[in-house]
Amino acid sequence: GIQVEQSPPDLILQEGANSTLRCNFSDSVNNLQWFHQNPWGQLINLFYIPSGTKQNGRLSATTVATERYSLLYISSSQTTDSGVYFCAVRNTGTASKLTFGTGTRLQVTL
Amino acid sequence: DSGVTQTPKHLITATGQRVTLRCSPRSGDLSVYWYQQSLDQGLQFLIQYYNGEERAKGNILERFSAQQFPDLHSELNLSSLELGDSALYFCASSRLAGGAETQYFGPGTRLLVL
Repeated sequence: GIQVEQSPPDLILQEGANSTLRCNFSDSVNNLQWFHQNPWGQLINLFYIPSGTKQNGRLSATTVATERYSLLYISSSQTTDSGVYFCAVRNTGTASKLTFGTGTRLQVTL
Repeated sequence: DSGVTQTPKHLITATGQRVTLRCSPRSGDLSVYWYQQSLDQGLQFLIQYYNGEERAKGNILERFSAQQFPDLHSELNLSSLELGDSALYFCASSRLAGGAETQYFGPGTRLLVL
């Protein structure tokens, strides 16, 4: 099946810093979503982005499907950004299930 | 709030027991998915239903079963529970809109098997 790798696995930032999280996938996809899992375990939708670029406030994401990667940018990080960020993809031509990466654990400190 | 509801939020039970987890999808969503998040396996797809019919199966154990009812809510049944079944179980729902199919996740049911 499709492989999804995320880097870095862990990230510690000071409040106000910027960061870039990366997601590499091993096959063509027709769905890519970024999620934030907060400390209470909730999975919050950030972006649906199988290709192109989107922005939502301090967050933006870019997917280059032909090169099989996606990037999530967090600017001016806040302590509430702490948690685990997951990339999840749906392999083209397969069932609708999402395959998740192992996540990037982000800690934002004061 | 994603619009997907799951009950119960927490469940503590003993090995060998059987439990039922319930999910109500977002209004209008016909697809329901179940995922398991455990420390050693990460987030894994279990099963998908679409408008009452099983659509796809993932790494779901034979001791686990699911169904989707006519009102589109879904239940995941876990039987002969083992310690290793302790995990966070998520339900997600989706619909196709404008060529996009975004999955929205419920808050999860945290299962602890003692």
